[in-house]
Amino acid sequence: AQKVTQAQTEISVVEKEDVTLDCVYETRDTTYYLFWYKQPPSGELVFLIRRNSFDEQNEISGRYSWNFQKSTSSFNFTITASQVVDSAVYFCALSEHEDSSYKLIFGSGTRLLVRP
Amino acid sequence: EAQVTQNPRYLITVTGKKLTVTCSQNMNHEYMSWYRQDPGLGLRQIYYSMNVEVTDKGDVPEGYKVSRKEKRNFPLILESPSPNQTSLYFCASSPRDRFSPHNGYTFGSGTRLTVV
Repeated sequence: AQKVTQAQTEISVVEKEDVTLDCVYETRDTTYYLFWYKQPPSGELVFLIRRNSFDEQNEISGRYSWNFQKSTSSFNFTITASQVVDSAVYFCALSEHEDSSYKLIFGSGTRLLVRP
Repeated sequence: EAQVTQNPRYLITVTGKKLTVTCSQNMNHEYMSWYRQDPGLGLRQIYYSMNVEVTDKGDVPEGYKVSRKEKRNFPLILESPSPNQTSLYFCASSPRDRFSPHNGYTFGSGTRLTVV
């Protein structure tokens, strides 16, 4: 069955530290899509990245980077030189190509606290 | 501005009093969906709609109804709310074709519902 696991419930770091948020997924589909969303204290969901299963290239966007490894079914997210504004709950999500409901399967989220 | 608008943002109600949470999108998206977010569970899909007059159950539909009479609107109806429906609700939309929904959704800002 499809599943997304974010084992880290909460992470606390000091500003400027690097931090990695882990995401492990399960799917039987050969074509699937992985996402990261940020939920700041205000509550809205902010789209960060989408990756499809055929594209294993790592991605970097400013201080953010993502490491997709099909061999370990992981899609980890690293924030370099963290800032207080990075404090939020981060969700990893999976969407399966053959799922006609097109739903996103979310992990339980990782709460990141960046202390000044 | 392209957006999904939910109303209200916050709602406190009593058990058994029917309520409707509205959702409207201005992007001409065919696909719309409702999710609920609960601590430790991430977001779970309640209902979705592929097009006008086409709706289907998601993973947690019990206690909810939806309708899709117009393309832009997808209200969530709680006929007889109970305390276990206290949650944060998100509406989402996406253009519909074989691939586009997997590009990720545009989410509304969320509705925090408390049923006492």
